[in-house]
Amino acid sequence: DVKVTQSSRYLVKRTGEKVFLECVQDMDHENMFWYRQDPGLGLRLIYFSYDVKMKEKGDIPEGYSVSREKKERFSLILESASTNQTSMYLCASSFLRGGSKNIQYFGAGTRLSVL
Amino acid sequence: TQLLEQSPQFLSIQEGENLTVYCNSSSVFSSLQWYRQEPGEGPVLLVTVVTGGEVKKLKRLTFQFGDARKDSSLHITAAQPGDTGLYLCAGPSGSARQLTFGSGTQLTVLP
Repeated sequence: DVKVTQSSRYLVKRTGEKVFLECVQDMDHENMFWYRQDPGLGLRLIYFSYDVKMKEKGDIPEGYSVSREKKERFSLILESASTNQTSMYLCASSFLRGGSKNIQYFGAGTRLSVL
Repeated sequence: TQLLEQSPQFLSIQEGENLTVYCNSSSVFSSLQWYRQEPGEGPVLLVTVVTGGEVKKLKRLTFQFGDARKDSSLHITAAQPGDTGLYLCAGPSGSARQLTFGSGTQLTVLP
């Protein structure tokens, strides 16, 4: 089975702190994604990556950055956390080809609270 | 940007009842997916529909893709408490490696 592991289930941080959310997948997937999930808003794409050291902005990249130094690992960075970044963060991965075969596999999520 | 609208946003029913949730768009999608997210977990793929008019069944769940490939529905027969969760529809977007997600239907099935 595909496994996507997010390093923390719950995080509590202070405003202004630098926050790192880590995600590791074990299926050699090329694509990796970071979403945030808020009630009533569904999943909104923050950043994604198709390859090592490659990144593309999603719909809501402001206040976030990412790093992909190894194929299996995709990190989300909040340079200076703010209270409006309190949310559930979900990491996902998928194979390179898209279209109808584009199945995304998700981690269990990190619930981040910024105080 | 292709948008997917889901309705209803919340649904609370008794065990044994039937229900239908909807996923609608003004845009044509080459395929649509349905995911279910249980509390404390990430979404998991249930099904992908590809052909206009297609109907797929997964035990008590029936998925239909509209003829014009702009909408989809999920019908659950004789709902059980184990069906409780957030149901999300999603379609390819951008480079087709990405997915656009609907806002979801939160289903609660009471015993």
